[in-house]
Amino acid sequence: NAGVMQNPRHLVRRRGQEARLRCSPMKGHSHVYWYRQLPEEGLKFMVYLQKENIIDESGMPKERFSAEFPKEGPSILRIQQVVRGDSAAYFCASSTSQGAVGEQFFGPGTRLTVL
Amino acid sequence: QKEVEQNSGPLSVPEGAIASLNCTYSDRVSQSFFWYRQYSGKSPELIMSIYSNGDKEDGRFTAQLNKASQYVSLLIRDSQPSDSATYLCAVISFQKLVFGTGTRLLVSP
Repeated sequence: NAGVMQNPRHLVRRRGQEARLRCSPMKGHSHVYWYRQLPEEGLKFMVYLQKENIIDESGMPKERFSAEFPKEGPSILRIQQVVRGDSAAYFCASSTSQGAVGEQFFGPGTRLTVL
Repeated sequence: QKEVEQNSGPLSVPEGAIASLNCTYSDRVSQSFFWYRQYSGKSPELIMSIYSNGDKEDGRFTAQLNKASQYVSLLIRDSQPSDSATYLCAVISFQKLVFGTGTRLLVSP
């Protein structure tokens, strides 16, 4: 019973490059959430998606960041023209329904380092 | 004011003692509260949820909720070194999960 899968686990980019982070939710889960965690800080909500729909993107920076959850395939968090301040751990979580928003299962995270 | 506030710690307790972790929240209409545990370098995992005022026990863990005081706590009885981790309090606010910054717990043998 595979859990939430994220890849890559570690990603190194130079300033100005693009970063693509992938997340496959737990089997049977159709709700995906992305969070960012900076050192010594808590998890910050970024975006909530269902298949083919962005439900809540209130935590996403206005520029350079985008997310999608296509009908087929994993959810993608895309960061264009990365800057050093984007270096963080990015976690994806999934739940069975909106009603279970508090009972989320987290993936192992992608550690992004921007040089 | 932060939506969810926790003392960052570290909270140091000896093995076998009771660890008490506290959390306050600002959204008065919040109805659902959660404790997640995060080991260093790992992802958070859900350990407790509580929805009603009072206590909820699960093994060595007890969650306590006081909605009037906007306060939620987690007690860990018979603390073990393996309990050493960061404990994140989370609240559902506007249909999304809002996390505190976490309290680091250190249990010494």
